[in-house]
Amino acid sequence: GESVGLHLPTLSVQEGDNSIINCAYSNSASDYFIWYKQESGKGPQFIIDIRSNMDKRQGQRVTVLLNKTVKHLSLQIAATQPGDSAVYFCAEKFQGAQKLVFGQGTRLTINP
Amino acid sequence: DAGVTQSPTHLIKTRGQQVTLRCSPKSGHDTVSWYQQALGQGPQFIFQYYEEEERQRGNFPDRFSGHQFPNYSSELNVNALLLGDSALYLCASSRTGRETQYFGPGTRLLVL
Repeated sequence: GESVGLHLPTLSVQEGDNSIINCAYSNSASDYFIWYKQESGKGPQFIIDIRSNMDKRQGQRVTVLLNKTVKHLSLQIAATQPGDSAVYFCAEKFQGAQKLVFGQGTRLTINP
Repeated sequence: DAGVTQSPTHLIKTRGQQVTLRCSPKSGHDTVSWYQQALGQGPQFIFQYYEEEERQRGNFPDRFSGHQFPNYSSELNVNALLLGDSALYLCASSRTGRETQYFGPGTRLLVL
């Protein structure tokens, strides 16, 4: 079936530390993956994406890693800041499809 | 550059009523997707519109229908509202040939 899951529903880190949010996906035919950040009362905000022909992509303070062998996706946030507190969703797109399939999300809390 | 906009921001309806939600895509985008997000869950794909036609549909009943206008804006209509339709309705826009979907702030629908 369709499912994009997350290993941890909540994650708490100290300000300034690095955060790693993990995601497992089930469809080996997925060819595109994306991470969103959603703050309370707002819509999901695009963070970074990666295609299946890549295994790593870097943005500003964020890195996405894709391991197709074990169908695992991770989002690394460097030097976390209070503004990084939010729910983070990974999503996948099946090859040939238009829709994004989302997981439940991980709530990231930054401790001062 | 305006992002994705949605109206209204909040809406309260009673069971059996009908509702219309509106979305204007990001400038330069021609594809609109609608998602339903229940509290504490990830967004669920409803359908996608491109060239004024429904291109793909998720597992939602026929009570959910949509429309796309020549200016690429879109409407989501829900008939015979049920209590379970209470959710955040998200619109996402994208450009043909690009997978990245950008979300609006959503419309919070409460069905009493």
